[in-house]
Amino acid sequence: EEQLVESGGGLVQPGGSLRLSCAGSGFAFSNFNMRWVRQAPGGGLDYVANISPDGRDKHYVDSLKGRFTISRDNAKNSLYLQMNNLRVEDTAVYYCVRASSDWNPLHSWGQGAQVTVSS
Amino acid sequence: QTVVTQEPSLSVSPGGTVTLTCGLSSGSVSTNYHPTWCQQTPGQTPHTLIYNTNTRSSGVPDRFSGSIVGNRAALTITGAQAEDESDYYCVLYMRPGIWVFGGGTRLTVL
Repeated sequence: EEQLVESGGGLVQPGGSLRLSCAGSGFAFSNFNMRWVRQAPGGGLDYVANISPDGRDKHYVDSLKGRFTISRDNAKNSLYLQMNNLRVEDTAVYYCVRASSDWNPLHSWGQGAQVTVSS
Repeated sequence: QTVVTQEPSLSVSPGGTVTLTCGLSSGSVSTNYHPTWCQQTPGQTPHTLIYNTNTRSSGVPDRFSGSIVGNRAALTITGAQAEDESDYYCVLYMRPGIWVFGGGTRLTVL
């Protein structure tokens, strides 16, 4: 069974940093684009970042460039999101998402990791 | 910046048919945008219903269908059931590695 399990969420002060991890299992992790999607409290879904299967190509929504860094370790079947200079408005549930090879950008989702930015 | 637009809320009677749409603040949605539809029941993780305009994800009932109607992507639910009461999000392909979500439609079945 395919699984995506996020970890690393928590409470952080404004200006702080946090690193989310996502462990994939039950599929060929190194074959697929991986993404992060977030959802603020009471809000909609927002696309955050994408990384290519080999990790060479990375894409970010313009508003997050420079503060967030997506990475992966295919040997560990793991996806990461390094978040720096966090703001209150970054408070959200962060979902790890696998794409598929047939234009399904959101084939499978993790259960989400809560990130709360507050003083 | 391109904004993906959806109806904020819609309602449908049990057994009825409803169409949710997804547009662009500037321009028309075509198959080139590979429209995808996700469903999220409050408190639950989202899951994808339809991708690449009209392909149903595994296990999705055939009462859900996707299409292009005019200049918008559309998700049609034929024979709505109580469990279809959810938030529905459209997401469109913009350029390599970048997709954009719409604001979501809250569907009420009553």
